[in-house]
Amino acid sequence: QSALTQPPSVSGSPGQSVTISCTGTSSDVGSYNRVSWYQQPPGTAPKLMIYEVSNRPSGVPDRFSGSKSGNTASLTISGLQAEDEADYYCSSYTSTNTWVFGGGTKLTVL
Amino acid sequence: EVQLVESGGGLAQPGGSLRLSCAASGFTFSGSWMHWVRQAPGKGLVWVSWINSDGSNTGYADSVKGRFSISRDNAKNTLYLQMNSLRAEDTAVYYCGRDRYYGMAVWGQGTTVTVSS
Repeated sequence: QSALTQPPSVSGSPGQSVTISCTGTSSDVGSYNRVSWYQQPPGTAPKLMIYEVSNRPSGVPDRFSGSKSGNTASLTISGLQAEDEADYYCSSYTSTNTWVFGGGTKLTVL
Repeated sequence: EVQLVESGGGLAQPGGSLRLSCAASGFTFSGSWMHWVRQAPGKGLVWVSWINSDGSNTGYADSVKGRFSISRDNAKNTLYLQMNSLRAEDTAVYYCGRDRYYGMAVWGQGTTVTVSS
């Protein structure tokens, strides 16, 4: 149950696009389209932003999109806004009937 | 309104026990898979445990296997996490979450567990 690998930090200016990667293995990300992404502003509970690799729950802006290639999933935020500044986590279902999170990525809006 | 409210956190001694509860409302709890996730101070999210809708299937992170036990009472719309043999590294905010499509679609506000002598 090793954590998925995310970059510790990314940054972008308002209006730009940023992409956060999430690398796992053939036992998790690579084998299942069961990757989720979460947004967590400081001091708050996480919020589901993407499920099943690329699906957005109701209410999540379409500026947020997800994709996957092989063992790596990605979250792209386009038209960056100040309110997007937060920690972002990926998660995947695994072959051992468990789940695993990434280490988290801090997004800074410059 | 869909809501999850955790309780039961507090201070425990190393080797001690605590039982966390998560009260659900606003959705069909008996039909929902549920999770526990924790977050140590200043650290990232860590998945802890999962239970299916009728409690017949569960899963645990290696770090808590054999020490923690997840259960549910569908008549009371409540999820539980029994934590035994607590260690300092179990200190964290514990969140319960409702599973939807293998993601955690609803989260509680969290309850804080501190393990210290």
